[in-house]
Amino acid sequence: QKEVEQNSGPLSVPEGAIASLNCTYSDRGSQSFFWYRQYSGKSPELIMFIYSNGDKEDGRFTAQLNKASQYVSLLIRDSQPSDSATYLCAVTLRASYDKVIFGPGTSLSVIP
Amino acid sequence: EAEVAQSPRYKITEKSQAVAFWCDPISGHATLYWYRQILGQGPELLVQFQDESVVDDSQLPKDRFSAERLKGVDSTLKIQPAELGDSAMYLCASRRAGLPDEQYFGPGTRLTVT
Repeated sequence: QKEVEQNSGPLSVPEGAIASLNCTYSDRGSQSFFWYRQYSGKSPELIMFIYSNGDKEDGRFTAQLNKASQYVSLLIRDSQPSDSATYLCAVTLRASYDKVIFGPGTSLSVIP
Repeated sequence: EAEVAQSPRYKITEKSQAVAFWCDPISGHATLYWYRQILGQGPELLVQFQDESVVDDSQLPKDRFSAERLKGVDSTLKIQPAELGDSAMYLCASRRAGLPDEQYFGPGTRLTVT
């Protein structure tokens, strides 16, 4: 089992719709969870981080964490064509000097 | 705004040649990471430094890759000899140690091995 898994996509949604991106992780001791956006040919940029169970909202983005299910998700409301990118889920492993493991990413395409 | 610097941005080299990448993290960031990202995949951790010490290099192909951070500031990643399969984006990131904080990524170095 891979440490961090994501649906590979591509995920296509119409402009204005809600995009839902999912991530599961295997290490129950994981403490920090991050969502990065990566445009083609560019480096990842942080969108959101979440540490506690529940929802965290920032503008059009909502991160949801369920540690019991080892599941974290990202919702993008009112999707825009500029949201088209690959979204990377990242998890910090507790017992290893802040080692950060990335998932394979989900490609999102927002259709105008 | 402080940024992670990397150079070169692009590198084309022939297989069996040596290649080196440089990274300067954000000032004061004790933790430095080198990742390799193959097209269509997520970043894979190659080596992690805490100050000048390597704390994780379990995925570093040590027969050809080496990394150093001599004074606990900037870092160099070297490949010798380069192989065709090393073609990838090499990303450097830094982070404040001991805090639940995010990584800051540099712009990356795109390596093409011919």
